[in-house]
Amino acid sequence: RKEVEQDPGPFNVPEGATVAFNCTYSNSASQSFFWYRQDCRKEPKLLMSVYSSGNEDGRFTAQLNRASQYISLLIRDSKLSDSATYLCVVIWTTGNQFYFGTGTSLTVIP
Amino acid sequence: GAVVSQHPSWVICKSGTSVKIECRSLDFQATTMFWYRQFPKQSLMLMATSNEGSKATYEQGVEKDKFLINHASLTLSTLTVTSAHPEDSSFYICSARDGGGSSYNSPLHFGNGTRLTVT
Repeated sequence: RKEVEQDPGPFNVPEGATVAFNCTYSNSASQSFFWYRQDCRKEPKLLMSVYSSGNEDGRFTAQLNRASQYISLLIRDSKLSDSATYLCVVIWTTGNQFYFGTGTSLTVIP
Repeated sequence: GAVVSQHPSWVICKSGTSVKIECRSLDFQATTMFWYRQFPKQSLMLMATSNEGSKATYEQGVEKDKFLINHASLTLSTLTVTSAHPEDSSFYICSARDGGGSSYNSPLHFGNGTRLTVT
């Protein structure tokens, strides 16, 4: 089993739609969680950290479910500019062991 | 915020030549940096973990003699692709964490990547 598994996608949604991605992790000792956004031919950029209590940043909401070992990213009112690949990153308690999901491709359609 | 700078952004070289890519942490010290490779429409693949003052740790299947890593200071790691061939053409990205990995909540910061084309 992979350390981190992510929804395969691709997701093609109309503008204004709400879309959610999940990412499951295998190591219960995982400590830190992040969502990154990667545009085509660019490096990943931090979108948001994921906190235990869940957190929101504008149209983006991140949640962590430790019992079921998954994190989620919810995007409300999708914009064309949200089109990108979204990567989840899980860091283990040792601090330098981290794992990426394979990424979920999102295309927001006019 | 923490910034990681990577240079060059793109390079075209002939088969058989070597290419050096630099990764610098601009406003923090990084005892550990990470090197990745990404082929088109594929996910990031960790190649190696660069450790300041010691040998790099390579992932399975990555040739250490082909991909030479040097982490001579707390702010600079270099990746040298030796005797490059067309199949080495890829997008190479480095990353580092502020705090040297000791802070669990520190995210990874990525360099802007280097697009290598070997002809």
